[in-house]
Amino acid sequence: EAQVTQNPRYLITVTGKKLTVTCSQNMNHEYMSWYRQDPGLGLRQIYYSMNVEVTDKGDVPEGYKVSRKEKRNFPLILESPSPNQTSLYFCASSLRAVDSYNSPLHFGNGTRLTVT
Amino acid sequence: GNSVTQMEGPVTLSEEAFLTINCTYTATGYPSLFWYVQYPGEGLQLLLKATKADDKGSNKGFEATYRKETTSFHLEKGSVQVSDSAVYFCALQGNTGNQFYFGTGTSLTVIP
Repeated sequence: EAQVTQNPRYLITVTGKKLTVTCSQNMNHEYMSWYRQDPGLGLRQIYYSMNVEVTDKGDVPEGYKVSRKEKRNFPLILESPSPNQTSLYFCASSLRAVDSYNSPLHFGNGTRLTVT
Repeated sequence: GNSVTQMEGPVTLSEEAFLTINCTYTATGYPSLFWYVQYPGEGLQLLLKATKADDKGSNKGFEATYRKETTSFHLEKGSVQVSDSAVYFCALQGNTGNQFYFGTGTSLTVIP
């Protein structure tokens, strides 16, 4: 089954303790991206990747890191989490972003992160 | 810059009522426009899309027309069902193709 898999689904951590949220897709997609969803703000793009070893900042990259060493994986790293990073996070992928008309974004089911 | 504004919710309708969710956008150039739907506990799924002025996207009885003159992409459905209860997001893809901008989402509840 074609899917985007995020882990974990729920995560509670403390300020400053490094964490990684994993994202994996099995569709051979070139493009992957991370979003955070907050009430009243909708989804905001954190980082995106056009292909292996090609990443760039979205609208809200501060406090986050990403890497794209393999095509299928795009982990989100919070090196020193803070309470304002408490949010619902989504990973998404598409075959090629520039061809989104024929290749829509496929989303994972989300990771709810709480930083205390 | 690019941005999307959609009507505040929540919206509650009776089954078979007409639905409109307003969406307007600000963008440079000619963005592609989308509606995504999010069911409880799930990620977003593409509902419909349009890439140029006057295009009409449609799917599952939902429709939206890309109106460049009013910079709008309103979502409509003639007769909603209980199963349509979800959160709906309007989105645009920026000119570079790499960045996507989403509205704040509109929660729809359809009651029998």
